[in-house]
Amino acid sequence: GESVGLHLPTLSVQEGDNSIINCAYSNSASDYFIWYKQESGKGPQFIIDIRSNMDKRQGQRVTVLLNKTVKHLSLQIAATQPGDSAVYFCAERFNRDDKIIFGKGTRLHILP
Amino acid sequence: DADVTQTPRNRITKTGKRIMLECSQTKGHDRMYWYRQDPGLGLRLIYYSFDVKDINKGEISDGYSVSRQAQAKFSLSLESAIPNQTALYFCATSDSGVAFFGQGTRLTVV
Repeated sequence: GESVGLHLPTLSVQEGDNSIINCAYSNSASDYFIWYKQESGKGPQFIIDIRSNMDKRQGQRVTVLLNKTVKHLSLQIAATQPGDSAVYFCAERFNRDDKIIFGKGTRLHILP
Repeated sequence: DADVTQTPRNRITKTGKRIMLECSQTKGHDRMYWYRQDPGLGLRLIYYSFDVKDINKGEISDGYSVSRQAQAKFSLSLESAIPNQTALYFCATSDSGVAFFGQGTRLTVV
């Protein structure tokens, strides 16, 4: 089926700790995965992406891990800061028609 | 100026009315998308277009129609609005799989 979902709707993390946001997908034909951050009152913004021929990609303070065996995607944020507070979405692109499907989102809440 | 512009930003309309949401982009992308966002349901794809001659239904196209007037313009219409179409609507563009979003249109159907 065409389904991208997240395990937890809300994640609370202490400021300075690392955050891990998880995502499960179901379509084996997807070739490209993207993480987005949505702040209040704004549209989603690109954070990091990964292609299906990779299992890890690092950016500035963020790392995306892809496990195709169990169809699992995760976003790791190092040293979480107050500005990281947002809703995070994973999305997958279906290579056959460039359709981009989003998961339900996880709200990241930063504890002082 | 924003790369992806949606108008209006907010709209309240009555049940049964026809309403059009507009989207224009300056990124030069061929691919454009309309999504709907409801609390707890993430973003759901309504329609997408790869060029002015190509329109495709997404996950939840019933009750909606679209028009790709030009490469830069993609409008979403609700022919006869109903209350459960109350939501936040986003337009997006893409050229490589990464989507760039507008600021959203908050639509309320009363």
